Amino acid sequence: QTVVTQEPSLTVSPGGTVTLTCASSTGAVTSGYYPNWFQQKPGQAPRALIYSTSNKHSWTPARFSGSLLGGKAALTLSGVQPEDEADYYCLLYYGGALVFGGGTKLTVL
Amino acid sequence: QVQLVQSGAEVKRPGSSVKLSCKASGGTFSSNAISWVRQAPGQGLEWMGGIIPMFGTANYAQKFQGRVTITTDESTTTAYMELTSLISEDTAVYYCARDSDVSAFEIWGQGTVVTVAS
Repeated sequence: QTVVTQEPSLTVSPGGTVTLTCASSTGAVTSGYYPNWFQQKPGQAPRALIYSTSNKHSWTPARFSGSLLGGKAALTLSGVQPEDEADYYCLLYYGGALVFGGGTKLTVL
Repeated sequence: QVQLVQSGAEVKRPGSSVKLSCKASGGTFSSNAISWVRQAPGQGLEWMGGIIPMFGTANYAQKFQGRVTITTDESTTTAYMELTSLISEDTAVYYCARDSDVSAFEIWGQGTVVTVAS
């Protein structure tokens, strides 16, 4: 049973920078896992933010960036805005199977 | 504009089955994968399985093997997900999500609430 682990919760001040991470129980996350990141606000469907580690969708704000960091996938928010308060999920690809991380609840305070 | 419109809320008895639909409009239906993801109340996202319509063979998460069937109808550009032997723990919002040519899960449906209760 593959497990993808994210920080359960993080708090950041408006204008600050925060990094969310995504780890795999199978070992280091590489670009071959095609990490994706999604944002979900209460009562809404998830929204795609980042695909294939670091690629942004046309609607993804410039303050969001994806990378690999220390064997994990990472999502960095620079210059956090109040509207960034949400749940964030990573998704990893395991050769035909996909696994979501447990999600990170980001509080902007 | 690519859009996914899902069927309406369902209330089911334990032991019964549910079949949800997800109609796609815009884009290329046949070559882009469609996945089903569920979210139990207050919980995270869980991938159930996916299918590329032109190939017709679905992949399923191990947890749902034998209990879920994902199909598509290319003539109506609609995907379906049937879940059998329902239990209360299947109560959740069920989403369909569609890949684009370059990225996974780019477009999401609005979600369908399924409630399993006696």
